[in-house]
Amino acid sequence: EVQLVESGGGLVQPGGSLRLSCAASGFTFSSYWMSWVRQAPGKGLEWVANIKQDGSEKYYVDSVKGRFTISRDNAKNSLYLQMNSLRAEDTAVYYCAREGTSYYMDVWGKGTTVTVSS
Amino acid sequence: QSVLTQPPSVSAAPGQKVTISCSGSSSNIGNNYVSWYQQLPGTAPKLLIYDNNERPSGIPDRFSGSKSGTSATLGITGLQTGDEADYYCGTWDSSLSAVLFGGGTKLTVL
Repeated sequence: EVQLVESGGGLVQPGGSLRLSCAASGFTFSSYWMSWVRQAPGKGLEWVANIKQDGSEKYYVDSVKGRFTISRDNAKNSLYLQMNSLRAEDTAVYYCAREGTSYYMDVWGKGTTVTVSS
Repeated sequence: QSVLTQPPSVSAAPGQKVTISCSGSSSNIGNNYVSWYQQLPGTAPKLLIYDNNERPSGIPDRFSGSKSGTSATLGITGLQTGDEADYYCGTWDSSLSAVLFGGGTKLTVL
């Protein structure tokens, strides 16, 4: 079964850091672009970042550039999101998603919740 | 405010048809494929349509997609109460080098 499982969410103070992980199974992880997508409470979907199969290309939404870093470990079938200098507006459910050949997300995890609050 | 514009809400009766629009520009919809997602309450999004009009396996043919110029449309026929959800369009923006989602449309089946 194709599956993505996120972990690492939690409560963090403004200015703090958190590292999210996404464990992939049931498919050849190293063959796919991967993305992080977030959804603030009661709001719509917002794409955060994506990464090429070999990690050589990465793209970010403007609001997280310089603060978040996407990475992957193909040997461990894992995707990561290092989040630094967190702000209240980063509070959201963070989803890991597999990308198809034209930037669509065909497999989604259940999400992990990040709350930034003092 | 999203770069891709969707109506906040649409509604129709069971068995009827509804369409949801997604408007963009030449840097996104106009020159890239569009995808559509369904998000049922409390769950992760699910891919409904990719490459403008292709359905993944398991998605019924009640769901269809189309694109013309800088706009795209999701159509749902034979509406069921189980179709009540939020629907999002998505695409790549070549100028921003970013994936974009529309603001989402809440479908109510009356």
